[in-house]
Amino acid sequence: KAGVTQTPRYLIKTRGQQVTLSCSPISGHRSVSWYQQTPGQGLQFLFEYFSETQRNKGNFPGRFSGRQFSNSRSEMNVSTLELGDSALYLCASSLAGYTGELFFGEGSRLTVL
Amino acid sequence: EDQVTQSPEALRLQEGESSSLNCSYTVSGLRGLFWYRQDPGKGPEFLFTLYSAGEEKEKERLKATLTKKESFLHITAPKPEDSATYLCAVQANSNYQLIWGAGTKLIIKP
Repeated sequence: KAGVTQTPRYLIKTRGQQVTLSCSPISGHRSVSWYQQTPGQGLQFLFEYFSETQRNKGNFPGRFSGRQFSNSRSEMNVSTLELGDSALYLCASSLAGYTGELFFGEGSRLTVL
Repeated sequence: EDQVTQSPEALRLQEGESSSLNCSYTVSGLRGLFWYRQDPGKGPEFLFTLYSAGEEKEKERLKATLTKKESFLHITAPKPEDSATYLCAVQANSNYQLIWGAGTKLIIKP
């Protein structure tokens, strides 16, 4: 059974640019959550999608957005990148959400110069 | 305010030297406490779920326990491959959003 797949694994952007990250959940999983991980802040919840609807949202500015498609694949977008957006962005899936038992992808490492 | 504190930040052990990691939490009604393992450059990997005080879960050299204020991850006779960062997260009854600790980086020397 394939795990959670995130693309791209690594990317470098400059301030002011935007970036789109992709996540393919485990087959059959309908809930996808996104997290930002930095050495200083640890794991911070961005948002959760279930059946194409954002069901929960963390405390991040509106520059961070996401969406989920009918096949449960999800994308997140960060516009007007700032240096502080450099982080590992993790996607996690579960069957129906509302659980702490998550399956994480390997993450997308974003560096903003 | 709901919060999770893990200690120590880092722990170096010799192979075979048993020890424990701590996860202290403050939450208004615990729905569940979760332990994860994270290897460098990888996403966290789920280990255990604990729901109520007194509960214990075991997997190979790891055993997780839960009280009303904290959880311990006991590592018995660890091997170098147990080296990783161990993360703890809690979920409150009032909000399904997970609250994560900063993690304990465990290094096992051969």
